[in-house]
Amino acid sequence: AQKVTQAQTEISVVEKEDVTLDCVYETRDTTYYLFWYKQPPSGELVFLIRRNSFDEQNEISGRYSWNFQKSTSSFNFTITASQVVDSAVYFCALSEDLAGTASKLTFGTGTRLQVTL
Amino acid sequence: EAQVTQNPRYLITVTGKKLTVTCSQNMNHEYMSWYRQDPGLGLRQIYYSMNVEVTDKGDVPEGYKVSRKEKRNFPLILESPSPNQTSLYFCASILTSGGGDEQFFGPGTRLTVL
Repeated sequence: AQKVTQAQTEISVVEKEDVTLDCVYETRDTTYYLFWYKQPPSGELVFLIRRNSFDEQNEISGRYSWNFQKSTSSFNFTITASQVVDSAVYFCALSEDLAGTASKLTFGTGTRLQVTL
Repeated sequence: EAQVTQNPRYLITVTGKKLTVTCSQNMNHEYMSWYRQDPGLGLRQIYYSMNVEVTDKGDVPEGYKVSRKEKRNFPLILESPSPNQTSLYFCASILTSGGGDEQFFGPGTRLTVL
């Protein structure tokens, strides 16, 4: 069975600090997909990134970067120079490659990030 | 504009009073799914549908029903709601591309059962 662990329940940082959100996953499949979603206080889920299991290149998008390491089954998310608008709950999720069936996302329990001035 | 809509967005009801949360997508996706979100538990899948008239249970289906009579709609039915179904519910419409399905989430429905 798939499992996603986000061990950090809450993180609090001061604006402009860098912060890394950890995500560790378990799966028996060789082909799978990893996701990060942001849930701001308004409640909607905002898609941030999707990464497949064959692509271990790190990704950078503005102040956001992701470090995917298959050797440690981790897909960590770093926000550089955090801002108050980054305050949200962040979810890591895992999807198996279930060809021909509805793909299901297995979510971690989320990390609440609080960025203060 | 590609959209997943849910109604109502907020609902307070009482134990045992049947209710339906509607979900509609305009992307012609075959796959749709329902999740519930609870503090400390993340999101868990309730039911999913692979196409019209094809549905199956997710991880937490007890107390819920779904139907898929048309491709665009996937309502979630609580026939006899109980307080433990107080939760934030998300509908998702899924683009299957062979390169990792992308899930488009609705805005969420916050349900309180008294």
